[in-house]
Amino acid sequence: GQQLNQSPQSMFIQEGEDVSMNCTSSSIFNTWLWYKQDPGEGPVLLIALYKAGELTSNGRLTAQFGITRKDSFLNISASIPSDVGIYFCAGIHSLSGTYKYIFGTGTRLKVLA
Amino acid sequence: NAGVTQTPKFQVLKTGQSMTLQCAQDMNHEYMSWYRQDPGMGLRLIHYSVGAGITDQGEVPNGYNVSRSTTEDFPLRLLSAAPSQTSVYFCASRTSGGSYEQYFGPGTRLTVT
Repeated sequence: GQQLNQSPQSMFIQEGEDVSMNCTSSSIFNTWLWYKQDPGEGPVLLIALYKAGELTSNGRLTAQFGITRKDSFLNISASIPSDVGIYFCAGIHSLSGTYKYIFGTGTRLKVLA
Repeated sequence: NAGVTQTPKFQVLKTGQSMTLQCAQDMNHEYMSWYRQDPGMGLRLIHYSVGAGITDQGEVPNGYNVSRSTTEDFPLRLLSAAPSQTSVYFCASRTSGGSYEQYFGPGTRLTVT
């Protein structure tokens, strides 16, 4: 099935550092969603993006809908230990009136105190 | 609001056994979906429903059945469990309105031996 490419696959960072990750595809999407998943839990929605070029923040998180509609970016500023987890992107496109969600494979973030 | 709830949290089955994974939501969402999550892969859609009495197949439906008799509940049935169905299963829901924000349950970790 179709998947999104997320980069990097994993990263170690020091507490206090800023983090950047992205999601790319060969397909155009109408909506991008970013989720965080803690070990043993379900994905929790962080940010939703609806327009190309849109920049949306949620606390220390900022996400952008790429201008080509084929990519999206998530930044975390001043990381803290509880930012540890897996971050997923999801692209949504419509096809004959139905909406298909395509999920990335995730970026695993580890924060060193 | 409990959101999306799933039971059980963990389950071990022998090959050939059947079981039902329960999912309920209290947000009055019309759309509900079942996904499986496997290592190194994005979430893959098994079955989905756009309302009570209406279900359809997703990307990986073989070996699974669903029904939707009420808006709140969307159980997933494994007809004859196989080791290939070892996975983490997530139920999700969203409104049918203009928002495509999908909310996930905590997951069921299933092992088939």
